[in-house]
Amino acid sequence: ETGVTQSPTHLIKTRGQQVTLRCSSQSGHNTVSWYQQALGQGPQFIFQYYREEENGRGNFPPRFSGLQFPNYSSELNVNALELDDSALYLCASSPGGGTGNTIYFGEGSWLTVV
Amino acid sequence: QKEVEQDPGPLSVPEGAIVSLNCTYSNSAFQYFMWYRQYSRKGPELLTYTYSSGNKEDGRFTAQVDKSSKYISLFIRDSQPSDSATYLCAPERGGATNKLIFGTGTLLAVQP
Repeated sequence: ETGVTQSPTHLIKTRGQQVTLRCSSQSGHNTVSWYQQALGQGPQFIFQYYREEENGRGNFPPRFSGLQFPNYSSELNVNALELDDSALYLCASSPGGGTGNTIYFGEGSWLTVV
Repeated sequence: QKEVEQDPGPLSVPEGAIVSLNCTYSNSAFQYFMWYRQYSRKGPELLTYTYSSGNKEDGRFTAQVDKSSKYISLFIRDSQPSDSATYLCAPERGGATNKLIFGTGTLLAVQP
């Protein structure tokens, strides 16, 4: 158990809808990253939040947005869902945002877009 | 060209075998090299990591990095059926953002 918890674990949405995924970081960790893992692929970095500010973003469109709260929990929001957004969304926490800080993953939220 | 290349397998070995899993990478700026294990429909679990070149042993797992050839290896000794999973190499792009660049993962099956 990493102490990183995500909700919901599974959800089904219709194309064009919006979705919010939630993550609680491990105790003592102030940095949360989000990754998307398509079937048969490795996780891809979406963005990272460090002390409530975005601290780096991957190659994802603006309809992917996030938020980090004062208790360091985080949300990932995806607008205008597309079929290709179907994937496992992973939240990861670390004790800092810089290099060398070990990253621990939650169990993920499975999103299916129909 | 992908930044991290990993043979997707599947790799099937008998119980007790020594397993060698490998990745190559293209970005010479990578400094930390992680290995994660992922069971089906679960999140990745950190196994071990190394900094720069060299070896690191964690129980039955040994991670090895050769920066001159941009080659990353994970060795599993005395493999067990419970080791059956997907193994992901993940170099870290350092700097202000500790972003992991994952390979596609290698599916390992250890046969009892």
